[in-house]
Amino acid sequence: QQKVQQSPESLIVPEGGMASLNCTSSDRNVDYFWWYRQHSGKSPKMLMSIFSNGEKEEGRFTVHLNKASLHTSLHIRDSQPSDSALYLCAASMNTNAYKVIFGKGTHLHVLP
Amino acid sequence: EAAVTQSPRSKVAVTGGKVTLSCHQTNNHDYMYWYRQDTGHGLRLIHYSYVADSTEKGDIPDGYKASRPSQENFSLILELASLSQTAVYFCASSDAREQYFGPGTRLTVL
Repeated sequence: QQKVQQSPESLIVPEGGMASLNCTSSDRNVDYFWWYRQHSGKSPKMLMSIFSNGEKEEGRFTVHLNKASLHTSLHIRDSQPSDSALYLCAASMNTNAYKVIFGKGTHLHVLP
Repeated sequence: EAAVTQSPRSKVAVTGGKVTLSCHQTNNHDYMYWYRQDTGHGLRLIHYSYVADSTEKGDIPDGYKASRPSQENFSLILELASLSQTAVYFCASSDAREQYFGPGTRLTVL
């Protein structure tokens, strides 16, 4: 069973639009989430991390976390064609903080 | 900046052959990881290690062995390569706040 589920699998937004990506864990022991971005043919690079309830903003990127529902979301405002990439959600558990599990990812396509 | 290198970057192997993928980090991180990436599967954890001479199984360890001879080096070994092991393999090191990935190794098993 996939412990980290992401939706949608694919998302198309126009340039300048808002992209919203979701991630949920089925494991109640999850206590830390990350968002990584992977451009085609490249390795993943961390965008943001969050472990407290609420919201965290960095530039055009905002991450929300609801620990009760184990749901995190990533919102990209003013999307640019360069934001087109695979977005990976990752989580670690309080039972083993260093075992990091990734979801299958959301393919974001920003159309000029 | 954190640096993780992998070798080889690309490899073609024959079914039943032995394959060794190498990873080297200069970050002084204790934790290192091996993931495989297939279309539609994101990243799946194969093995990880938090100290030299010790490795832990991830979620898909079958068919893979790992070796951590030093803090800087972490290898992934396929003793008997199979067609199903064709994938891109990523190594990463971690300071617990973030994982730093290498460039990946594209492995094709024929």
